[in-house]
Amino acid sequence: QKEVEQNSGPLSVPEGAIASLNCTYSDRGSQSFFWYRQYSGKSPELIMSIYSNGDKEDGRFTAQLNKASQYVSLLIRDSQPSDSATYLCAGPGSARQLTFGSGTQLTVLP
Amino acid sequence: DGGITQSPKYLFRKEGQNVTLSCEQNLNHDAMYWYRQDPGQGLRLIYYSQIVNDFQKGDIAEGYSVSREKKESFPLTVTSAQKNPTAFYLCASSIGPAGYNEQFFGPGTRLTVL
Repeated sequence: QKEVEQNSGPLSVPEGAIASLNCTYSDRGSQSFFWYRQYSGKSPELIMSIYSNGDKEDGRFTAQLNKASQYVSLLIRDSQPSDSATYLCAGPGSARQLTFGSGTQLTVLP
Repeated sequence: DGGITQSPKYLFRKEGQNVTLSCEQNLNHDAMYWYRQDPGQGLRLIYYSQIVNDFQKGDIAEGYSVSREKKESFPLTVTSAQKNPTAFYLCASSIGPAGYNEQFFGPGTRLTVL
């Protein structure tokens, strides 16, 4: 079983809608998770970090960590075409290194 | 401005050649990493270093080598033993050990084998 798994999508939402991206993980002891945005041909950019159970909000982005169910999610409110990108979830893996999900490609339709 | 630089942006390699990818950071981070990304795939860890003069193999180290002689620099050599090196190579750094600390990425080097 992969340590971090993402629903691979692709996901399309209309402009102004809420985009919901999800990630599950296998290690119950994991405490820190990260969401990266990667535009086509570019390197990943860190957009959210979450270290405790519950919600963390930053502007239009909300990260949610549910340790009981072992999932992490990213909500993007009022989605814009500029949000169209691949979103990578990352969490602790073997040897205490980060392991990345395979990414979810999001398209926001004008 | 603090950040991570990688060079070159594009690199072309002939069969049997070794090539070296540069990664420099001025963030004063202790830990540095090399990842490989293939089209439509996530990131796979090649090598990492948590301190100067020490480095560890990641999940796909075969055919690659690294050095960490300075805190700021973590070059990656792709050797002729790497059978399928065409990929996007990403260098990252973090202030402390991965899994607990945010990692920041450089712009990447796109390697193509001719």
